[in-house]
Amino acid sequence: GAGVSQSPRYKVAKRGQDVALRCDPISGHVSLFWYQQALGQGPEFLTYFQNEAQLDKSGLPSDRFFAERPEGSVSTLKIQRTQQEDSAVYLCASSLDPDTQYFGPGTRLTVL
Amino acid sequence: AQKVTQAQTEISVVEKEDVTLDCVYETRDTTYYLFWYKQPPSGELVFLIRRNSFDEQNEISGRYSWNFQKSTSSFNFTITASQVVDSAVYFCALSDGITRDNYGQNFVFGPGTRLSVLP
Repeated sequence: GAGVSQSPRYKVAKRGQDVALRCDPISGHVSLFWYQQALGQGPEFLTYFQNEAQLDKSGLPSDRFFAERPEGSVSTLKIQRTQQEDSAVYLCASSLDPDTQYFGPGTRLTVL
Repeated sequence: AQKVTQAQTEISVVEKEDVTLDCVYETRDTTYYLFWYKQPPSGELVFLIRRNSFDEQNEISGRYSWNFQKSTSSFNFTITASQVVDSAVYFCALSDGITRDNYGQNFVFGPGTRLSVLP
């Protein structure tokens, strides 16, 4: 009866490294969202998938950010050449109901 | 453009006090949804409530109650007889209700209010 799960929960990267963050949505949820939450702030939208289709990526801050969901279930958010400003908690949410999203515990990324 | 304002950055109360968290929103849409989420120290956002723009009836769930007033664009959240376990960051969020293929769309979150309930 799992909720949304994310891994790893914590990631430390050296500046310039690539990282990959994984999200396992609730089974059967068609929609999947990624958010970035900086310290002390609310989550900010990054990108949205409906099944395997990425319908909105307007929130991705740069071309170093890339997300995929190839089989319409698990999703991966990849950040290339990480920078210090990428340090944040990355939240994944899934949805079946048109307007209620269920969030995972997040991945805290620290870029040194 | 959509915007959510939570003017209270931090609130501290003593256990058993009542506390109200304010939320003011801006949207040009006539159809929209409002949400409250709780984020405890563990980090996971916990869904509390969803209201649509056509239903201004206030709602009570246990110690929680919500006051939706369209006239003032507010959706305030009250915790009655607060408990230490209520300590968390609370986020108000807005979605415009114009769903993409009926499967959801992105939210706009407020900055959050950190509630500390002291024993």
